[in-house]
Amino acid sequence: KQEVTQIPAALSVPEGENLVLNCSFTDSAIYNLQWFRQDPGKGLTSLLLIQSSQREQTSGRLNASLDKSSGRSTLYIAASQPGDSATYLCAVEGGSEKLVFGKGMKLTVNP
Amino acid sequence: DTGVSQDPRHKITKRGQNVTFRCDPISEHNRLYWYRQTLGQGPEFLTYFQNEAQLEKSRLLSDRFSAERPKGSFSTLEIQRTEQGDSAMYLCASSRDRPIANTGELFFGEGSRLTVL
Repeated sequence: KQEVTQIPAALSVPEGENLVLNCSFTDSAIYNLQWFRQDPGKGLTSLLLIQSSQREQTSGRLNASLDKSSGRSTLYIAASQPGDSATYLCAVEGGSEKLVFGKGMKLTVNP
Repeated sequence: DTGVSQDPRHKITKRGQNVTFRCDPISEHNRLYWYRQTLGQGPEFLTYFQNEAQLEKSRLLSDRFSAERPKGSFSTLEIQRTEQGDSAMYLCASSRDRPIANTGELFFGEGSRLTVL
C-alpha cells in the first residue's frame, strides 16, 4: 500500500527565504507525482506535475524534482512571499489511477 | 473553461438526514473523482468515473454513500442517514482520459464542506 509522508507538518519562515519542501513515498512504481496548494477552507490548486520519466518541472518561482528510486520529491520555492502561505500537499499516482496524498505541510511566510 | 464547480459550498445538517452534493467537471474531461478530506489530513479517494461508468469505489464508501454520473457529465454524491463522522470536505476533481493527455493531471473544485450536528 502506497504511503506518502511530508515532514515537517508546519514551517514558519521570514519573507525572502528560499524553501525546500519534502515528500517521500513508499512504492517507487508511480505514474506521476503532483504538488498542490490549499488555502484555508478552499479546494486544491495544482502547482506542478512530474511524470515518472521526468526528473523535474519548473513554474515561475517553483521547482519540483523527483527521484523515483529513493522515493523522494522536493518542492523548491524561491524568494518566498507572504502570499505563499498555504498548505502544500504532495500526491502520487500509481497503477490504480488515483492519487494518494500526504497530510500536507502548512507554510507561513512572515512579512 | 470555468474549472470544476461544486455545489453547495457548505451544508449543515442534522444527524440522520440525507444530503446530496453536485460536481460539474471541466467540460472536456472524461474522468471525474470524489475525495474526502478531514481536518489536518490529506484528501482520501472515494470513487471515480470514466464517462458514466463508475470504475472504482473505496472501502471508505459505505453503503450509505452513493455516487452517480448520468450521461457522463455532472456527478452527484449522496450520503444517506448522515452521521457525525461524515463531517468533512468533499472534493471533486476531473481530468482528461489517457492516452489523450498522458499526464493525468487532476483539477480540483473548491469543495463542499459538510457539518453534521
